[in-house]
Amino acid sequence: DAKTTQPNSMESNEEEPVHLPCNHSTISGTDYIHWYRQLPSQGPEYVIHGLTSNVNNRMASLAIAEDRKSSTLILHRATLRDAAVYYCILRDSYRHGGSQGNLIFGKGTKLSVKP
Amino acid sequence: GAVVSQHPSRVICKSGTSVKIECRSLDFQATTMFWYRQFPKQSLMLMATSNEGSKATYEQGVEKDKFLINHASLTLSTLTVTSAHPEDSSFYICSARIGRGVSTDTQYFGPGTRLTVL
Repeated sequence: DAKTTQPNSMESNEEEPVHLPCNHSTISGTDYIHWYRQLPSQGPEYVIHGLTSNVNNRMASLAIAEDRKSSTLILHRATLRDAAVYYCILRDSYRHGGSQGNLIFGKGTKLSVKP
Repeated sequence: GAVVSQHPSRVICKSGTSVKIECRSLDFQATTMFWYRQFPKQSLMLMATSNEGSKATYEQGVEKDKFLINHASLTLSTLTVTSAHPEDSSFYICSARIGRGVSTDTQYFGPGTRLTVL
């Protein structure tokens, strides 16, 4: 599986934007970039995913570099409820077979939000 | 959105006993379900993948005779930890996927089950 690299932790102030970076220099052409987050003592929650173009949804925006070797998850206005571990995951393409497109979690970035 | 439930949310058992954890997709049919384990301050580790009606595929290092997985229907998968020991104490999380495994398919996660083996 292609690997991702994320900072171990980041801090943000409440109501300010947060940019969470992810490096994936070995990404293949058909790998999708997925972001999940895990609040304390809960299961992970889907945030957003994309392939090449930037993506927006009600939770966040995903900015993908032109060469696809990095991406940034953007929370436009951080709230205390956004404090979580954020995981950037490359989704193994089903067409390449074998692992059935499993989600393999790295260590993620622990985001702290200060009031 | 799609909801995945787990039962129980927390279980404490004695060493040597078996514990069954249920995972249900409440409002969708899941072609594939996954079981993860998470130790304190660590990331999720994939244990096994199961498709309805077929045997589970276990990740390397996961004992299939100890962690029994049954995926009897498109909405229910169970994980049984047999002869549990204190080192099996962990946070067990299931997830379910709609669709046939293409890269755009979203996985929905359950809330997790905290297992403590005394």
